[in-house]
Amino acid sequence: DVKVTQSSRYLVKRTGEKVFLECVQDMDHENMFWYRQDPGLGLRLIYFSYDVKMKEKGDIPEGYSVSREKKERFSLILESASTNQTSMYLCASSSIFVLVSGYTFGSGTRLTVV
Amino acid sequence: DQQVKQNSPSLSVQEGRISILNCDYTNSMFDYFLWYKKYPAEGPTFLISISSIKDKNEDGRFTVFLNKSAKHLSLHIVPSQPGDSAVYFCAASARVAVSSTGKLIFGQGTTLQVKP
Repeated sequence: DVKVTQSSRYLVKRTGEKVFLECVQDMDHENMFWYRQDPGLGLRLIYFSYDVKMKEKGDIPEGYSVSREKKERFSLILESASTNQTSMYLCASSSIFVLVSGYTFGSGTRLTVV
Repeated sequence: DQQVKQNSPSLSVQEGRISILNCDYTNSMFDYFLWYKKYPAEGPTFLISISSIKDKNEDGRFTVFLNKSAKHLSLHIVPSQPGDSAVYFCAASARVAVSSTGKLIFGQGTTLQVKP
């Protein structure tokens, strides 16, 4: 069974902390994505990567950075967490044939910044 | 600027009846559309898709209709079942986009409740 695994289901962090959200996929997918889900706003793309060490900004990259050192792992970094980054974070991966198979999502990380 | 819009935040239907979820888009470059379903505490799962060369695609109880001139798509679920209660997201992609990733743009989601 193919999988996208996010390391934490729930996280509580303090304002100003550096936060790492980890995502691993076992499907040998080229593309990986980080989204956040907020009520009334749907899924908004933060960053994506189409190859190792490659990254591109999505629609809301401010306050975030990413790292992709290995094909299977894509990390989202909150350099200095703020309360407006409290959200559900979803990682996804896809093959280059994304339009046929769609994305495979992880179960999400519910991050609360206090 | 919301390029993909789901204007109904919620929908409630009776078991056995039809559920119709709607989605509008503004970018005429979009040529591939997908629907995802999301249960609480789980990631979204791919449900059904449609290419712009078609106006209908069917998979079991799920049918997606595309009206390109109106920039509108809809998902029909017939018959609706209580297990269909979830948040439904539509998504769109422009295959001619600069990136080769086929980046998906998602709508805000519609929460469907199917009552027994």
